[in-house]
Amino acid sequence: QKEVEQDPGPLSVPEGAIVSLNCTYSNSAFQYFMWYRQYSRKGPELLMYTYSSGNKEDGRFTAQVDKSSKYISLFIRDSQPSDSATYLCAMSEESGYSTLTFGKGTMLLVSP
Amino acid sequence: GAVVSQHPSWVICKSGTSVKIECRSLDFQATTMFWYRQFPKQSLMLMATSNEGSKATYEQGVEKDKFLINHASLTLSTLTVTSAHPEDSSFYICSAQRGLAGRNIQYFGAGTRLSVL
Repeated sequence: QKEVEQDPGPLSVPEGAIVSLNCTYSNSAFQYFMWYRQYSRKGPELLMYTYSSGNKEDGRFTAQVDKSSKYISLFIRDSQPSDSATYLCAMSEESGYSTLTFGKGTMLLVSP
Repeated sequence: GAVVSQHPSWVICKSGTSVKIECRSLDFQATTMFWYRQFPKQSLMLMATSNEGSKATYEQGVEKDKFLINHASLTLSTLTVTSAHPEDSSFYICSAQRGLAGRNIQYFGAGTRLSVL
């Protein structure tokens, strides 16, 4: 079993739809959870950063963490064609000097 | 937001030559930088952790003599792919770690696409 599992997609939705992206993980020591957006042939861009379980909202984006289920989600409301990208979840055990473990990424396609 | 510049964005080289990739944090100092490799439709795989003024820490399976990392200042880390071969062709991405409000966050460069002929 891989440390972080993420469905590669592609996930195709119409403009305006609510998008749900998910990752599961096996390492119970992960405490910090991030979502990055990566456009084709570009570096990842940090979208959301959360610690432990709970919800965090930022504009159209909501991140949820359920440590008991080892399951994290990213919701995108009112999706736009410009949201079309690959979304990577990432996790680490510590906030300090720490390495990130990434999921494979889910490709999202939002059609106008 | 924090800006990390990576150069070049794309390089083509002949087999056997060496290629240097630069990673700069433009508006903050980064004691720690990371180098990743990404194959098409795959996740980022950490190659090494670069600490300013000390030797890099390489992940298991990464040849340190093949991938030379230098972190000579708080704003610059370089990755040199020595004697490159076609199997080294990949997308290389660096990140710089910045402390912000009690958290350490990695900010990524735009990546370098290496094609070895």
